[in-house]
Amino acid sequence: NAGVTQTPKFQVLKTGQSMTLQCAQDMNHNSMYWYRQDPGMGLRLIYYSASEGTTDKGEVPNGYNVSRLNKREFSLRLESAAPSQTSVYFCASSDRRGIGSEAFFGQGTRLTVV
Amino acid sequence: AQSVTQLDSHVSVSEGTPVLLRCNYSSSYSPSLFWYVQHPNKGLQLLLKYTSAATLVKGINGFEAEFKKSETSFHLTKPSAHMSDAAEYFCVVSENSGYSTLTFGKGTMLLVSP
Repeated sequence: NAGVTQTPKFQVLKTGQSMTLQCAQDMNHNSMYWYRQDPGMGLRLIYYSASEGTTDKGEVPNGYNVSRLNKREFSLRLESAAPSQTSVYFCASSDRRGIGSEAFFGQGTRLTVV
Repeated sequence: AQSVTQLDSHVSVSEGTPVLLRCNYSSSYSPSLFWYVQHPNKGLQLLLKYTSAATLVKGINGFEAEFKKSETSFHLTKPSAHMSDAAEYFCVVSENSGYSTLTFGKGTMLLVSP
């Protein structure tokens, strides 16, 4: 059981380049999320998808776009990378059919923008 | 609106001594509360969760937390620290109303010395 799988694990981009982070879950969860983690800031929500076909902005959406490709997959795109987007990115999924559904996290993507 | 405050950015203990990581929350509705742990360069793992049942919640690896509504607190404790407990710990809140995402605290780094 793979859970939540993110690719790539590491990436270095030059300022202005674009890239897409991929995420897939095999737990048949309805909801998926993208977070970024920066030192001393905890995890901050970038975008989320409550269910297939919907996406919504989180706390820090500027500079990002997302696509919920199907129930399993949720991608995050940086159209023109900036050094401020250097971070560790986590994808997560949850069931959300009941109160208190926890989120399951991928292993993260460490992105450096130079 | 929901928010979480982790009162200590770093906590240092000696192996075999008790651990206390403090968390206060704010929520407009009854909350679900979680503690996650992140070991270096790893993803996040759920330690325990509170979802309006028993106020004392037991988790993995000997950790437990007590929900205190009057104090809006959800502190994490362990009677005896082990070297393998050294990691970053995140307190997380989600409101039990409509669709609510997870809001993370900024994290507490637990350091365990021999």
